[in-house]
This record gives sequence, C-alpha cells and structure tokens, in this order.
Amino acid sequence: QSVLTQPPSVSGAPGQRVTISCTGSSSNIGAPYDVNWYQQLPGTAPKLLVYSNSNRPSGVPDRFSGSKSGTSGSLAISGLQPEDEADYYCQSHDSSLRAYVFGTGTKVTVL
Amino acid sequence: EVQLVESGGGLVQPGGSLRLSCAASTFTFSAYWMHWVRQVPGKGLEWVSSLNGDGSATRYADSVKGRFTISRDNARNTVFLQMTSLRADDTAVYYCARESRLPVAEKVFDYWGQGTLVTVSS
Repeated sequence: QSVLTQPPSVSGAPGQRVTISCTGSSSNIGAPYDVNWYQQLPGTAPKLLVYSNSNRPSGVPDRFSGSKSGTSGSLAISGLQPEDEADYYCQSHDSSLRAYVFGTGTKVTVL
Repeated sequence: EVQLVESGGGLVQPGGSLRLSCAASTFTFSAYWMHWVRQVPGKGLEWVSSLNGDGSATRYADSVKGRFTISRDNARNTVFLQMTSLRADDTAVYYCARESRLPVAEKVFDYWGQGTLVTVSS
C-alpha cells in the first residue's frame, strides 16, 4: 500500500555508518516534494528527525543527515549508537493521490 | 513544550462508531494544520486525515473517505476524528500530529501525540 519503498532492515556495529534509502516516483519525491524522516523508538510515537530533505530540527544530533536525488531520498546515520536502534520512516506528499505518504519503514539494528 | 494528548480509543464492534479527541497545548493552535495518522500494531504509518487552521479545508485518505470526519474546536484547542462504519482493518493506534510551519518545511509533521488504540472486533 505504501508508495515509498524502504529496505526492511539495516544493521551496523557501534560507530559505523548506515544508510537508508527511500524510493518514490514522479508524483511524489520527483514531483518534487520534499522528503522527511521520522524515528520511532519501540513503544513510542514517531519523532521528526530530518525535514525538507536535509534539515535537522533543534536537538537532533548531527550524526543524522538526509539527502535527495531525483525520485529518491536517503538517511545516513554516522557513528551508530545503541540508542539509534529503532524504526525509521520516510514521508512525502503525492500529487496523484493528493495524500501524505509514508515509506514502508526500516528497522535499524545495532549489532 | 508542545503537547498533543489523544483520547477516546477503545474496543468497538464492526459497523460501530467512535470519536477520538486530541487536546493541544503551548502553541497557537488555530494557526496550524492538524492531522491524524494511524499505525496497525507492528506495521507502518498511514496518513488518515487533515484539517486547516480555521476548519474550512479537509483532506482524507481514500481508505476512510465517507466514513471518517475530522473537525476542530479552536476555543478548546482540540481536534476530533469521528469514525463511523468501522471495520476490522481500521484497528490501529491513531496519532494526532501537527503540521510544521518551520521555514522551508513542506508538509511535515513536527509534533506527535502518544497515540490512542482503536480495536474493531466483535
């Protein structure tokens, strides 16, 4: 049902860098609408992590960075820490559906 | 600190109705678009509905159009989601979320409530 596709899972050792892709289409990310990213820790509500492709709200560590190219977005986590273990979702807007759309979600595991 | 507190969830039979509320505090409520987003336990996020600041513009996902109604009371800083003709696949945690007015931000949710669980089952 989700129109934005993410890998189901990524993993890395503490201190490593991991990236999460978010693939859309010409009616959403390529429209071009911005890509936003949310972190959802177990049992909690989502929290805004990156907005407008590459901007971080105050309080979000600079270990988290976002980018966008064409019809895809990407979230990178540098210097992976145990507390980064969570689900991550990308989000955009779709002009054909006239709806806000989310990615399928990616579970990040810290080995 | 911005706070969004949902209430009204619970167990309801298929075909039944339920009204969710989301009480907001510490921001100028009437200036913001407000949204409902749901999440089936263990699954992903799905946008449900949105409403502009004065309540004159609404949007709905196709999956709930004609069954759910979003509204707001700016005097009480509260947004509502009236859900009717509920089905088993409406079972989810329902979050309310505020749409950001950050510079250069576009259609992004900057604050979320803790969620309220709606279970549709006989």
